[in-house]
Parts: sequence; structure tokens; C-alpha cells
Amino acid sequence: SQKIEQNSEALNIQEGKTATLTCNYTNYSPAYLQWYRQDPGRGPVFLLLIRENEKEKRKERLKVTFDTTLKQSLFHITASQPADSATYLCALDTSNQAGTALIFGKGTTLSVSS
Amino acid sequence: GAVVSQHPSWVICKSGTSVKIECRSLDFQATTMFWYRQFPKQSLMLMATSNEGSKATYEQGVEKDKFLINHASLTLSTLTVTSAHPEDSSFYICSAPRGSAREQYFGPGTRLTVT
Repeated sequence: SQKIEQNSEALNIQEGKTATLTCNYTNYSPAYLQWYRQDPGRGPVFLLLIRENEKEKRKERLKVTFDTTLKQSLFHITASQPADSATYLCALDTSNQAGTALIFGKGTTLSVSS
Repeated sequence: GAVVSQHPSWVICKSGTSVKIECRSLDFQATTMFWYRQFPKQSLMLMATSNEGSKATYEQGVEKDKFLINHASLTLSTLTVTSAHPEDSSFYICSAPRGSAREQYFGPGTRLTVT
């Protein structure tokens, strides 16, 4: 069966440390993988996307890796801050064309303590 | 950046009544919009794809006669929950892609509570 799993439901780390979130999938062949941030009671906000032929993507303190052999993406937040506390969702983009629906994981709730 | 709004942000209704939720793209046109539903601590589940000028496409298990979708213009899609029941209580979120971009822009969501 098709599955997308974010291995940790919750992750607690101290300010300044690097948070690493994991997204694994089975029986999908995504052309892209996207990461979103969702705050309580709000809609998701796009953070980063990575193509299937890219190994790594960076944006400020964020880094995403994508290993299509392992069927896994890692999402890193370096020098984490309490303001980074939120739920982070990975989403598979399986279509060859833009404008198609995404398949979401349940998310990992990150708590950064000062 | 692209902005998507939803109205209302929360609504309480009685069982058996209907509720309409609006999703608007404020600074871009969206020929396609998506409606998701999210239960607590669960992932966003796609309900339907709203297409401007044509019928919506519903996911398996979603009743099209219960969740009516109308994409009346390039900036507005509406979701009407008809004859709502307590089990329809959830967080409803719309999204839209802009142009040829892969990422999607989400509305702030609508919290529906059916009593």
C-alpha cells in the first residue's frame, strides 16, 4: 500500500541545536517533495521544495535532502529558535505537471525550548 | 507573495443545516483550487479538486452531493457542507497553485463545529 510517514510525531530540542525531521514514503514516485510549516489553527505555509534529481536544497537556516533510493527526505533547521516551534509537514508531488494535489504526511511537531 | 483567504475562519452550526465556506485567491488567478479536511493530529486529506468553469473532481469516499463545490470565477471557490452532522466537524483548508509553480498557497482554514 502507499504510505507517507513522518517518523516522529513530536520532537523537542534546545535552542541553538539542529532539528532533523524525517519523511519516508513507500509505493510512490514523487517528482518533487515539498515541506510546509503549519502553526496551530492555521493553514500550511510553503518552505522548500526539492526535485527528484536534486540531492540537497538550502534556504537560510533550512536544508532539505532527498534520497529517491531510500525513499526518504530529511529536513534540517540549524541554530533553532523558539519561533521555529510548529508542525512541519512533508508533501509528495507525484504529478508531471504543476497544479496537482499534494499528498501530505501527518507532520512532526517541533518544540524548541530556550 | 501569493495570498489565499478563507471565510469564515470559524463557524458553529446546528445539525441538519448547511454551511458555505469561501476560498479566494487575492492577488493571482487560480483555475484550480483544492479543498482539504484535517482532523486533530492528522494529515491534510484531499477532498476535492475545484476547477473553474467545470465540475469538481472528488476523491474516493467523499460524497459530492454533501460537499458541493462551485468555482464561479478565477479567484473564488466555495465549499458548501449540506445537511451537516457532528461528524463533519473539522478544519477545512483550501489551497491554490499559482501559475506553473509547484508549491501551493493555503488559506488560513475554517474551523467547522456542528452541534
